[in-house]
Amino acid sequence: ETAVFQTPNYHVTQVGNEVSFNCKQTLGHDTMYWYKQDSKKLLKIMFSYNNKQLIVNETVPRRFSPQSSDKAHLNLRIKSVEPEDSAVYLCASSSGNSDYTFGSGTRLLVI
Amino acid sequence: AQKVTQTQTSISVVEKTTVTMDCVYETRDSSYFLFWYKQTASGEIVFLIRQDSYKKENATVGHYSLNFQKPKSSIGLIITATQIEDSAVYFCAMREGGSWQLIFGSGTQLTVMP
Repeated sequence: ETAVFQTPNYHVTQVGNEVSFNCKQTLGHDTMYWYKQDSKKLLKIMFSYNNKQLIVNETVPRRFSPQSSDKAHLNLRIKSVEPEDSAVYLCASSSGNSDYTFGSGTRLLVI
Repeated sequence: AQKVTQTQTSISVVEKTTVTMDCVYETRDSSYFLFWYKQTASGEIVFLIRQDSYKKENATVGHYSLNFQKPKSSIGLIITATQIEDSAVYFCAMREGGSWQLIFGSGTQLTVMP
């Protein structure tokens, strides 16, 4: 099956902890992304990773960092989570001018 | 800077009717790509249809079609013969030709009633 796969589906953690989410795509795409979807369903792009080039949305706090081993994987690490980080994190991939394919998301709850 | 606006927060229709969802965009780029996505109740985001700025003909895929009005910077989504399972949140999105970002509107909740 070719798709974008994310783990875990759901994660609960306490303020100040570090978390890491995984994303893998088997579509052969050359670019991967992380989006944050808040409680109002607003989708905000966080990062783009292509050919070892990382592009960061300037509004993303420094405690967020993407990590990639190859073009099929783009993980997201959050150092010292804060309550406002509670959201759904969506991974996506694309190639050229194609549409983006999204994973099923990781829901993070910070307590 | 690019921007996508969906003013309709929610729409309710009776099944088998036609619904139109509005979307306007802002860009200074002459080349851009417009997309519509659907997010189901499970949270899955699915690509539906796209319109490339240089194409004059409105795109059509199954029972989805677009009303592309370039002078008005408008890209409406038309769903004909709606079905209960079309109930979802619909997002309009745009990417400029030279940009790395796919920017989304705030979404329109569609409810299709029997």
